This record gives sequence, C-alpha cells and structure tokens, in this order.
Amino acid sequence: EVQLLESGGGLVQPGGSLRLSCAASGFTFSNYAMSWVRQAPGKGLEWVSAITSNGGSTYYADSVKGRFTISRDNSKNTVYLQMNSLRAEDTAVYYCAKERWTGTALFLDYWGRGALVTVSS
Amino acid sequence: SYVLTQPPSVSAAPGQTARITCGGDNLGSKSVHWYHLKPGQAPVLVVYEDRDRPSGIPERFSGSNSGNTATLIISRVEAGDEADYYCQVWDNSIGWVFGGGTKLTVL
Repeated sequence: EVQLLESGGGLVQPGGSLRLSCAASGFTFSNYAMSWVRQAPGKGLEWVSAITSNGGSTYYADSVKGRFTISRDNSKNTVYLQMNSLRAEDTAVYYCAKERWTGTALFLDYWGRGALVTVSS
Repeated sequence: SYVLTQPPSVSAAPGQTARITCGGDNLGSKSVHWYHLKPGQAPVLVVYEDRDRPSGIPERFSGSNSGNTATLIISRVEAGDEADYYCQVWDNSIGWVFGGGTKLTVL
C-alpha cells in the first residue's frame, strides 16, 4: 500500500523558514518524480514544486521560485520542501504527491494527508 | 497562462447523476485528470487521462473530454461522494494547472 506522510508543518513568523518532509513507502521511491501541492484556506489547489526521480531536475511555481527548495534523499525514501522568506500568503495545507507519467500524461496518483503551515506574527 | 474553469457547486440527490464540468481553451487536445478532496483526508485521484479509473474507484465514476469541456460523471450518487472535485492538466508549455474546484453536495 502506497503511503505518503508529511511532517514539519507549524506556525512561523513572516520572513521565517520551515522544512517539510514527506516519508514514502509502498513503492520504489527512487523510480518516481514527486510534487508538492498546496491549498490555502478557502482556496483551490496550487502546484508548488516538483523533483525528478534522481533529484537531477527541480521545478517551481513562480509564486515560490527563489524562496522554496525541493530536494530528496532516495536512501531515506523522503522528499523535502525547504521554505524560506515565508509570507502570509504561503499559509496553506501542503500535500506531498507521487507523480505518474504515462508517456503522454502527467498526474498525481497518490497523495499524503498534508501538513498545515501557518505564517503569522 | 492557461485557465481551467469549474462551477463552484453542483448538487444531486442520492441515486441521481452528477456532472461536473471543467472548461479550458481547446481542452479536448489535453489529458484531463480528476481528484476529490474531503476535509482532513488525502486527496484521491478518481479519473485520469479523461476517462480511466484507478483501481479501487467505483465504476460509477467516469469522464469525457471534447472541444473545450471535460466532464466528470458520477452515476448513482451516494452520500459518501460529497467532496470538492478538481480537474487538472499538464503539458510542457503550460505546466501544472488545476481548476478552481467544485463542491458536490448530495441532497
């Protein structure tokens, strides 16, 4: 059974930093790209960042580029999201998700339950 | 930037059919995927590549995509289907795009 478990969320002041972790199990982690997606209170889903299976390439939404860094440790089956210079508008539930590429389509076939990040003074 | 438009809400009585639309420019040329979100739970993929169902998703869930509109069809709606539903596309030129979400209310 595929499981994704996020941790590291919490309350942080504007300008502060936080690192989210996502521990994966139930699949060969090193074979799959991973993404982070967030949902702000009362808002819809927003893709945040992605990393290829070997960590060689990373991608970011314009809203977080230069402030967030995605990384992974395939020996620990874990993906991370380092969030710096946090703003109130970064307040959201952050979901970790496993990507699936079919050759023509890219989507997220498994998700975690999310970690709440609150940016407030 | 590419925009996917969903109605904010859809309602259906138990046993009836619910249709949730997702609109976008020439959407029929892209693969559309659908997720549901329930409070406090992990989002779940319910339809991928327009019409395919992951294992474990009931046959009551189906999809279509043509022209500028994709549709998620939920037949024989049940109380447990009540959730927020999101469509999503991806391609090299537009990246990841989600629709604004539709709240399905089971009457």
